[in-house]
Amino acid sequence: DAKTTQPTSMDCAEGRAANLPCNHSTISGNEYVYWYRQIHSQGPQYIIHGLKNNETNEMASLIITEDRKSSTLILPHATLRDTAVYYCIVTGAGSYQLTFGKGTKLSVIP
Amino acid sequence: DADVTQTPRNRITKTGKRIMLECSQTKGHDRMYWYRQDPGLGLQLIYYSFDVKDINKGEISDGYSVSRQAQAKFSLSLESAIPNQTALYFCATSDSRTGRYNEQFFGPGTRLTVL
Repeated sequence: DAKTTQPTSMDCAEGRAANLPCNHSTISGNEYVYWYRQIHSQGPQYIIHGLKNNETNEMASLIITEDRKSSTLILPHATLRDTAVYYCIVTGAGSYQLTFGKGTKLSVIP
Repeated sequence: DADVTQTPRNRITKTGKRIMLECSQTKGHDRMYWYRQDPGLGLQLIYYSFDVKDINKGEISDGYSVSRQAQAKFSLSLESAIPNQTALYFCATSDSRTGRYNEQFFGPGTRLTVL
């Protein structure tokens, strides 16, 4: 699976959009980008995933660049409950394994 | 709600003791996983099981064993616990029938301390 690079930490004002970047320059054509988050030692929670098209669900939007070497997770209106560590994971469609790095610690500030 | 549960939630044990962590799920998922998380780090895969008769080692299986007693139950054992196995342990499930193999659902975790 391709390696990912994320900033260690980010701050976001409550009510504003949180944009979390992820670099995955070695991604291959059949690999997906997944995002999970972990709120203070709870079990990780699936957010969204995509292959090459932008995706949106009730939690977030995922923007993948045309060359697929990077992506951005967007939380449109961050709340205090969105404070968590966010993990960007690249993995093959048929793979079972999620490789969690250190992620980005997002702090939403009142 | 269909759920993933783990018991115990917290456990303190001594070096050399055998300990079992249990995971149960009511989601009807066929795949189950065990991960460990050390402070400040991401999760590492210990074992995974695609069905009752299919169990596989993950990246850090040494010192651990597992048992898939039924589709809904997946237990992790530490045969002889050592202090560097102190960590947070998570069980997870996924449903291969949906094709969303990597949409995993995690339990609340077990905090294990080995003295």
